[in-house]
Amino acid sequence: TQLLEQSPQFLSIQEGENLTVYCNSSSVFSSLQWYRQEPGEGPVLLVTVVTGGEVKKLKRLTFQFGDARKDSSLHITAAQPGDTGLYLCAGTQGGSEKLVFGKGTKLTVNP
Amino acid sequence: KAGVTQTPRYLIKTRGQQVTLSCSPISGHRSVSWYQQTPGQGLQFLFEYFSETQRNKGNFPGRFSGRQFSNSRSEMNVSTLELGDSALYLCASSSLPTSGTVYTQYFGPGTRLTVL
Repeated sequence: TQLLEQSPQFLSIQEGENLTVYCNSSSVFSSLQWYRQEPGEGPVLLVTVVTGGEVKKLKRLTFQFGDARKDSSLHITAAQPGDTGLYLCAGTQGGSEKLVFGKGTKLTVNP
Repeated sequence: KAGVTQTPRYLIKTRGQQVTLSCSPISGHRSVSWYQQTPGQGLQFLFEYFSETQRNKGNFPGRFSGRQFSNSRSEMNVSTLELGDSALYLCASSSLPTSGTVYTQYFGPGTRLTVL
């Protein structure tokens, strides 16, 4: 059983469209992180959220942590081909630094 | 500052062999974690080392082992390779070792292991 469920698994959209990726769990997380991974490279951290209800914006990307700290979402406005990649959510629980990852959402933005 | 480096980048082995992968963390980082990434299971935590001690361990068989040296460089070893061990092995380093503190892990590019 995957602790963090990401949806959708695959997403293919046209340049300029908006999209939302979800990361859900039945467990509480002390922090939730979003990473983006490109082929042949390791994941790169986009944002960390730690407070329930927290919203963070990074240019065209908006990240939200659920009030109960069990879920998170990533919204991209006016997607560009450069946004193409694998988006991963990962969480920490309690005092552990071990990251638990979702399986990821593979996003393709077509020009 | 140089990023996390992993060697080799690609490796092909046959079943039953063993393999050693190397990771050099970002200078000053003392915590190193290892992950296995496969299409079916995604990223799964293997273990984490800090100051040459294993602090956390994932649910992998004893064939998977690791160690960390005094300069924080780390190696992981997989013995008696199986076909299912084919994966991208990622190493990540971090600068804050204290539990309970949100910290950032910086990932290397990974080692792509193929077991034939």
